[in-house]
Amino acid sequence: GDSVTQMEGPVTLSEEAFLTINCTYTATGYPSLFWYVQYPGEGLQLLLKATKADDKGSNKGFEATYRKETTSFHLEKGSVQVSDSAVYFCAVSGGYQKVTFGTGTKLQVIP
Amino acid sequence: DSGVTQTPKHLITATGQRVTLRCSPRSGDLSVYWYQQSLDQGLQFLIQYYNGEERAKGNILERFSAQQFPDLHSELNLSSLELGDSALYFCASSFQGASEAFFGQGTRLTVV
Repeated sequence: GDSVTQMEGPVTLSEEAFLTINCTYTATGYPSLFWYVQYPGEGLQLLLKATKADDKGSNKGFEATYRKETTSFHLEKGSVQVSDSAVYFCAVSGGYQKVTFGTGTKLQVIP
Repeated sequence: DSGVTQTPKHLITATGQRVTLRCSPRSGDLSVYWYQQSLDQGLQFLIQYYNGEERAKGNILERFSAQQFPDLHSELNLSSLELGDSALYFCASSFQGASEAFFGQGTRLTVV
């Protein structure tokens, strides 16, 4: 079945630092890829998505590019803010199969 | 607001008891997923239903069961509860299995 591996956290960064959270996946066919974010005390929210190879998803300054050749979908942001502190989940979905999530990476941004 | 409604928001119950968590998916969504999130286990997939039928099963205990009704709402039944079942239970829905999932706010279950 599908699987997602993302870097373990927590990741602690200073404000305005560059962020990368690595994510690799295994899936058959042509899956869609997602990043979700969970702020403290809340449910998961879709942050961005990409549905085919070389697509770049972007939202709120975050970006991720669908790399089929390396089966990766790394999340990046050029300058993080304290308000970005949250848990980030990478996810993959293909065909009629379930959406499979990674274990989550906790990001803490300190002023 | 994701459009996915979960009730109740909080639930406190004793060990050995049985509870039912309810989920109303977004209008038009056919797939419903259930996840368990605890501090030490991360987000664990439990089960998926698609248009009333079980589609995929994850790490769901035999004490737990779920169903999706003709109106597409879903219920997760947890029985013979143990302290370790204390967790956040999330429901998510999507139009089809491959499309993005929208999450409810979760039900926080505390077993005492």
